Amino acid sequence: DAGITQSPRHKVTETGTPVTLRCHQTENHRYMYWYRQDPGHGLRLIHYSYGVKDTDKGEVSDGYSVSRSKTEDFLLTLESATSSQTSVYFCAISEARKQGANYGYTFGSGTRLTVV
Amino acid sequence: EDQVTQSPEALRLQEGESSSLNCSYTVSGLRGLFWYRQDPGKGPEFLFTLYSAGEEKEKERLKATLTKKESFLHITAPKPEDSATYLCAVQAWGGADGLTFGKGTHLIIQP
Repeated sequence: DAGITQSPRHKVTETGTPVTLRCHQTENHRYMYWYRQDPGHGLRLIHYSYGVKDTDKGEVSDGYSVSRSKTEDFLLTLESATSSQTSVYFCAISEARKQGANYGYTFGSGTRLTVV
Repeated sequence: EDQVTQSPEALRLQEGESSSLNCSYTVSGLRGLFWYRQDPGKGPEFLFTLYSAGEEKEKERLKATLTKKESFLHITAPKPEDSATYLCAVQAWGGADGLTFGKGTHLIIQP
């Protein structure tokens, strides 16, 4: 998938425990994003990064934090997992905007997280 | 607030039966409108980006068009392998980066 890897692919965790999901890219793209996908809601933006140590909140950021210490890695942490955070999490990458070109965000294969 | 509404939610067609999927949007200033395809258990796969009203893009049996309020994904003579969920998303100027997605259209092409 164009050099983007998410880990783990599946995880089951208990309520109240911290969880970290990893996104790794080999494309040297500047922009990285975390989305969650739930039935009836579509994909929603959690956090994004526009460079090393530069991050910002998306639509549904409560209960999540992110870090980007290297260009290639973007980590998503659930500080204290809750059942409402059971979801499929997708990472996406994007190079610098090329207005007029047929570019798009590239998505990873996803992490299915279940909080019990 | 940016909004994207896709219709229909689900569509079942016979192989070779052409149709269109609709994506209506409201956005403060459209930077780009994106179409993706998603297969079960996989991440979205990029298809097209459209930037301005009147623009069209084609890829195999798919053609995407854009007006100031909506986009259409036309599927001509579809095959069973075109079965997937098709997602529409918008990117706006200013504000948070990232895409605002619709809920998708689940397309089934029967042989």
